[in-house]
Amino acid sequence: NAGVMQNPRHLVRRRGQEARLRCSPMKGHSHVYWYRQLPEEGLKFMVYLQKENIIDESGMPKERFSAEFPKEGPSILRIQQVVRGDSAAYFCASSSLGPGGPQPQHFGDGTRLSIL
Amino acid sequence: DQQVKQNSPSLSVQEGRISILNCDYTNSMFDYFLWYKKYPAEGPTFLISISSIKDKNEDGRFTVFLNKSAKHLSLHIVPSQPGDSAVYFCAALYSGAGSYQLTFGKGTKLSVIP
Repeated sequence: NAGVMQNPRHLVRRRGQEARLRCSPMKGHSHVYWYRQLPEEGLKFMVYLQKENIIDESGMPKERFSAEFPKEGPSILRIQQVVRGDSAAYFCASSSLGPGGPQPQHFGDGTRLSIL
Repeated sequence: DQQVKQNSPSLSVQEGRISILNCDYTNSMFDYFLWYKKYPAEGPTFLISISSIKDKNEDGRFTVFLNKSAKHLSLHIVPSQPGDSAVYFCAALYSGAGSYQLTFGKGTKLSVIP
């Protein structure tokens, strides 16, 4: 899959540690989105970024969570001082904008975060 | 407050028959609707979308119907194949907000029986 690349696929952390999740968008895509999926739930929007800019972070918890999409390199979702409730699957998506409006978002295979 | 609802957690269909997956929404500002398919341990895969100015969009075996007055959309898969067995998510967005965030339903697990 030459699409959206996420790493690591699985990440285990102890309570209080930091988790860093990485996402490289599809080639040609400049819009990155992060979503979180809890068991038996749909995906919930967290944050929308373009290069060097956070466009919408209305779905991000106010504390401990941050995201960036630097000029060079992947987008990073960072969770500080993790707690058990942070255990979830975190998906990254990317898209482009076309003349007809927003183009469909394409998803990576996710990072499964487990907190011990 | 769920803005996108998929009221059937699961659906079983015989191979070759039609699968109909339903989705309701409450936010009348939504103007794009998408369907994604998801296999275990993988990310969602985009299937088909529809703009609110249309009432039908077709792509091969997949057709999406939109009824704006009822705030309802459905995905038809004809004929259903065993490889279609997956969880299907309905998603919606409001392009005017400038954010393009997707609001997802909780999904419907489709099982196509050979």
